[in-house]
Amino acid sequence: DIMMTQSPDSLAVSLGERATISCKSSQTVLYSSNTKNYLAWYQQKPGQPPKLLFYWASTRESGVPDRFSGSGSGTDFTLTISSLQAEDVAVYYCQQYYTTPWTFGQGTKVEIK
Amino acid sequence: QVTLKESGPVLVKPTETLTLTCTVSGFSLTSARFGVSWIRQPPGRALEWLAHIFSNGAKSYTTSLESRLTISKDTSKSQVVLTMTNMDPVDTATYYCARAGGPGGGTEFDSWGQGTLVTVSS
Repeated sequence: DIMMTQSPDSLAVSLGERATISCKSSQTVLYSSNTKNYLAWYQQKPGQPPKLLFYWASTRESGVPDRFSGSGSGTDFTLTISSLQAEDVAVYYCQQYYTTPWTFGQGTKVEIK
Repeated sequence: QVTLKESGPVLVKPTETLTLTCTVSGFSLTSARFGVSWIRQPPGRALEWLAHIFSNGAKSYTTSLESRLTISKDTSKSQVVLTMTNMDPVDTATYYCARAGGPGGGTEFDSWGQGTLVTVSS
């Protein structure tokens, strides 16, 4: 199974400041034949189901604000919130869909400092 | 509008079998593009993918629970069913169903149900 490890487990950022979350996979999730990274990011607010933010590691889902960005390739990925807003308080998960069993990271909780 | 809705018991006893149903609308389970997964989340903990049924009926399960899980679908009812045998208190969680095969054409989960909390207790 591919293990997904996120860091940090939690972070507190001032409003308007940058938040950066790392996600590392235990093996590559880059499919060489199409050069796509099979990596998604989700946002989960309290009491709600997760919401898809990015797929193919860096393709923003429709409606996701452009202060969110996804980057990385192979085994190392990053989710960045360029200017944290109050509504961004949530837990963020990465997930690989390169191969089954599909696996999630342990989550990173983002709070306001 | 795509919707998924989970239904099933809120309380099960240890050793019992859990049966959950996901009723979908706004897309077809016969579409070559879409599949449906079950994912769970124990209180205060991370998401755990459990099982998936592909559009062609193929199935995949998480390694650690494969012997206890069965996923199936009834396309005429637009339903996906998950059964989990020999329930234990550690299986207490919110169980979500989610659609895979969204905008990217991969198996990212682009639509989720609201989830159903299942408690395992005698």
